[in-house]
Formats: sequence, C-alpha cells, structure tokens
Amino acid sequence: DADVTQTPRNRITKTGKRIMLECSQTKGHDRMYWYRQDPGLGLRLIYYSFDVKDINKGEISDGYSVSRQAQAKFSLSLESAIPNQTALYFCATSDRQISTDTQYFGPGTRLTVL
Amino acid sequence: QKEVEQDPGPLSVPEGAIVSLNCTYSNSAFQYFMWYRQYSRKGPELLMYTYSSGNKEDGRFTAQVDKSSKYISLFIRDSQPSDSATYLCAMSAGTSNTGKLIFGQGTTLQVKP
Repeated sequence: DADVTQTPRNRITKTGKRIMLECSQTKGHDRMYWYRQDPGLGLRLIYYSFDVKDINKGEISDGYSVSRQAQAKFSLSLESAIPNQTALYFCATSDRQISTDTQYFGPGTRLTVL
Repeated sequence: QKEVEQDPGPLSVPEGAIVSLNCTYSNSAFQYFMWYRQYSRKGPELLMYTYSSGNKEDGRFTAQVDKSSKYISLFIRDSQPSDSATYLCAMSAGTSNTGKLIFGQGTTLQVKP
C-alpha cells in the first residue's frame, strides 16, 4: 500500500463550486504539505503543517484553505473554485527528525475547473 | 530572481548517452541537495540526496554539488528509455526549522531507443 494517498485522483468541477482534496499518510510523519504543479512553473507551496495545531501559508495560499484533522490527515479546500486553479495537486510529508527535510509525495490529484 | 533555477528543457538524447542535468541556486544557506524523478501522471519520488559539496554515486546516477559555484548536477550514465521523466532538483538549509524544500521547475528528459 502507498505511504501517502490522495483522493480523488481526478476531479472535474465547475466554477464557483466548493471542493475538498484529501491526503492521508501512514509514514508517521509529523509534517505535511500541499503543492500545486503547473507546466513551466514547477511545484508551488500552498500550505504546510508541522503538527495538528501548526498550519502555515505557503507562497500561493489565496483561494485555498486547509484542515489538519489528525497527524495522518491533511485536506485542502477550494471554497469557490475558479478556472485558474486547474492544476495537478500534490500532498507531501516529512519527518522533523530527519535533518535533510526530505519530502515524500502522494500520487497527485488532477483538478479541472470548468 | 528565483532561489533555484533549472532549465526546463525538454532534453532529448539517444539511448546509451550520458545525460547532465543542472541547477543553480542563490541561497548559500542550502546544505542538502536532492534530486527527484517524476514520471508522467505520478508524484515526484526521491532519487538521491547529497549533503554539502562533493559527489555521490548510486548505480548509473551521480549527484555532484559545487557550493562555491552554487551549482549542482545529476549525471545519468548509459541512459535508458525508462529514464524518461521530469527531474526536479530540491534544496534545503536542513535543520533550520523551516521544514521547506525549494524546488527547481524541473527538466523533462526523453531517452529515445
């Protein structure tokens, strides 16, 4: 079984709809991250969480919100989706005990906003 | 100026060629340097990491860091069609409590049979 899972894997929605992307991990890591990936722009950090009560904005948090329901679960919400939020979304985890800050990624969610 | 610059390519080579992928960076605090490989429609997976300057070899892959030039490279020997993917460099300052990696935008590599 995958260590970092994301649901759904693909989602098509309409402008103005609320949508939630979910991430679960079995790696026992305390840190979790949400990124979006767009062609030519690489990975951009949306939000990150160092533990259940510690949530921080990344470089592109506008239009997004997150919830850390448990150490193993971190969800990303788009309150009112817009077409330029069409992208590939990745969840990642890391362990603060590991000094390299290496992150482990889920398989991604492909989101299309019409 | 971005903290990490990486040529997006695409880079196309024949099977068996030696491939060189590179990144430059501006933050001298970076100490850990990673290479991720991302196949189409998949999440990035860690390929290898290097601490500070020097070389690290793993099979056909060699990672090289030159901190004085703020330049890192990944070499792939005897490239195979299965190496076709996007390669992302990533860096961190390590135990600085930021927990964040800074990524290059990725280089797309195609190895033709």
